[in-house]
Amino acid sequence: QKEVEQNSGPLSVPEGAIASLNCTYSDRGSQSFFWYRQYSGKSPELIMSIYSNGDKEDGRFTAQLNKASQYVSLLIRDSQPSDSATYLCAVNQGGKLIFGQGTELSVKP
Amino acid sequence: GAVVSQHPSWVICKSGTSVKIECRSLDFQATTMFWYRQFPKQSLMLMATSNEGSKATYEQGVEKDKFLINHASLTLSTLTVTSAHPEDSSFYICSATPPRGDAYEQYFGPGTRLTVT
Repeated sequence: QKEVEQNSGPLSVPEGAIASLNCTYSDRGSQSFFWYRQYSGKSPELIMSIYSNGDKEDGRFTAQLNKASQYVSLLIRDSQPSDSATYLCAVNQGGKLIFGQGTELSVKP
Repeated sequence: GAVVSQHPSWVICKSGTSVKIECRSLDFQATTMFWYRQFPKQSLMLMATSNEGSKATYEQGVEKDKFLINHASLTLSTLTVTSAHPEDSSFYICSATPPRGDAYEQYFGPGTRLTVT
């Protein structure tokens, strides 16, 4: 079992729709969770961090964490073509980030 | 804030030569920096944790004699790929955590694309 798992996609949504990205992790002791966006050929950009169960909202982005289910998700509302990228889920384990394989999102105009 | 730079952004070298990549934190001091490698269509793999003033901590399977890391100051870490081979061609990315804010957020440099011919 991989430490951090994501659906690789591609996930295709129409412009204006809600994109839902999911991630599960294996280490029940993990406390810090992050979502990064990576455009093709570029390095990752931090878009959300979440530490407590529940929802955390920042603009069009909402991160959701359920530690009991070892599940973290990212919702992107009003998706735009510029949101098309690979989204990486990362979990802090012992001060190091463990990344999922990423979900490729394509937002169609 | 939390800006990390890398130099060069891309480099082409011949097999058997060495290449040095620099990672700088521009607006904060970083006692710890991280080096990752990313192959096409794959996720980021942590290579090593660079600690200012001490030896780097390498991940399992990463050759410490091949990938030399020096963290000589609080704003600069370098990765030297020694005796590079074509299989070392990859996207190398560093990251750092600023001392303010969340303790575990990592901010990435723009990456260095290495091609070994």
